[in-house]
Amino acid sequence: AQKVTQAQTEISVVEKEDVTLDCVYETRDTTYYLFWYKQPPSGELVFLIRRNSFDEQNEISGRYSWNFQKSTSSFNFTITASQVVDSAVYFCALRSSNTGKLIFGQGTTLQVKP
Amino acid sequence: DTAVSQTPKYLVTQMGNDKSIKCEQNLGHDTMYWYKQDSKKFLKIMFSYNNKELIINETVPNRFSPKSPDKAHLNLHINSLELGDSAVYFCASSQESWLAGGRAQNIQYFGAGTRLSVL
Repeated sequence: AQKVTQAQTEISVVEKEDVTLDCVYETRDTTYYLFWYKQPPSGELVFLIRRNSFDEQNEISGRYSWNFQKSTSSFNFTITASQVVDSAVYFCALRSSNTGKLIFGQGTTLQVKP
Repeated sequence: DTAVSQTPKYLVTQMGNDKSIKCEQNLGHDTMYWYKQDSKKFLKIMFSYNNKELIINETVPNRFSPKSPDKAHLNLHINSLELGDSAVYFCASSQESWLAGGRAQNIQYFGAGTRLSVL
């Protein structure tokens, strides 16, 4: 069975703090893809990153960074120097290479206070 | 230009009615999807079409019927609406087959969502 767990339901930080959103996944596939999406208060789903299972390089994009560790089946997302505009629900998702469907985690609501 | 567009954005209707949600993508993708987001924000796939062919059909009541007239459009028709159908419905699209000279992206891009309220 495939599953994504985001154990943190809600996180609240003060602006400029660093924050890490955890994501743990389960799959028996040897090839798969992991994603992060952002859902701001306006409601749309915004793609942030895709990582495939054979590429464990960490990635940094501005204030965002992602740490993928196959050994612990985790794909964590860190926001450095958080800003109020980062307030949103963040979803981690898993995609099997065999099917197109995304299996989403429960989402983590991040609130960044000024 | 909006890449994946859904209409309407809001839909308020009475129980028992039939309604449709339309989705169009201008990204040239070959695959489209419908997802449902419930009141707890949980997202779950409902259907997927690849080049007008149904390829994913999750356990969804048969009151829900997707229709894909061409690969740029995927509509969702719901018969005999029930209170439990109230949710946000998201359309998405992706390029799944290998592109000539490149790799398939497999990234799903979502529309803005349609908030359905059944009274």
